[in-house]
Amino acid sequence: EDKVVQSPLSLVVHEGDTVTLNCSYEVTNFRSLLWYKQEKKAPTFLFMLTSSGIEKKSGRLSSILDKKELFSILNITATQTGDSAVYLCAVTQGDSNYQLIWGAGTKLIIKP
Amino acid sequence: KAGVTQTPRYLIKTRGQQVTLSCSPISGHRSVSWYQQTPGQGLQFLFEYFSETQRNKGNFPGRFSGRQFSNSRSEMNVSTLELGDSALYLCASSLGLGPHGYTFGSGTRLTVV
Repeated sequence: EDKVVQSPLSLVVHEGDTVTLNCSYEVTNFRSLLWYKQEKKAPTFLFMLTSSGIEKKSGRLSSILDKKELFSILNITATQTGDSAVYLCAVTQGDSNYQLIWGAGTKLIIKP
Repeated sequence: KAGVTQTPRYLIKTRGQQVTLSCSPISGHRSVSWYQQTPGQGLQFLFEYFSETQRNKGNFPGRFSGRQFSNSRSEMNVSTLELGDSALYLCASSLGLGPHGYTFGSGTRLTVV
């Protein structure tokens, strides 16, 4: 059965800390891995990763994919209270670029 | 530009009833996908429409159906509601070039009592 597993399920840190969120997957015919941030209801797109070892970066957020070990990490440096959210990882497979298999998410709480 | 609009925002229904949810995509977006989000199961894919055709379908029973109109607006229908259908239903629209272009709506919170 195809699955995407995120860890930890929840995380509480203080402002300024660096956090690493994990996403591992077991899917047939992997195509791409995506990270989303969900603050209230609507998830917003962060990164899409298709190639191993190439870091994607956006400000204090960065992500990398390891296709050999079947996982990705999302790093957030110098965390701010506005980073508090649920971070979702999703995978696409095969010819279906449109059907996402989602992890359960990591709930990140940043304390001031 | 206006985002993805889902209506209604909240809905309470009783078991056995049916419900219709609506999603208006971003202007120019031709693909609409629907997802169910529950605390225990996370986000699960329901179906995806592109130019009025269902292009993909998830593993949900036949009680869940949808359609897309010529203006790309989409509706999702759930018949014979069960308590387990209580969830946040999210709609995402895109140009149809892949999920990295998705924009999600704020969802419809359905509670079945």
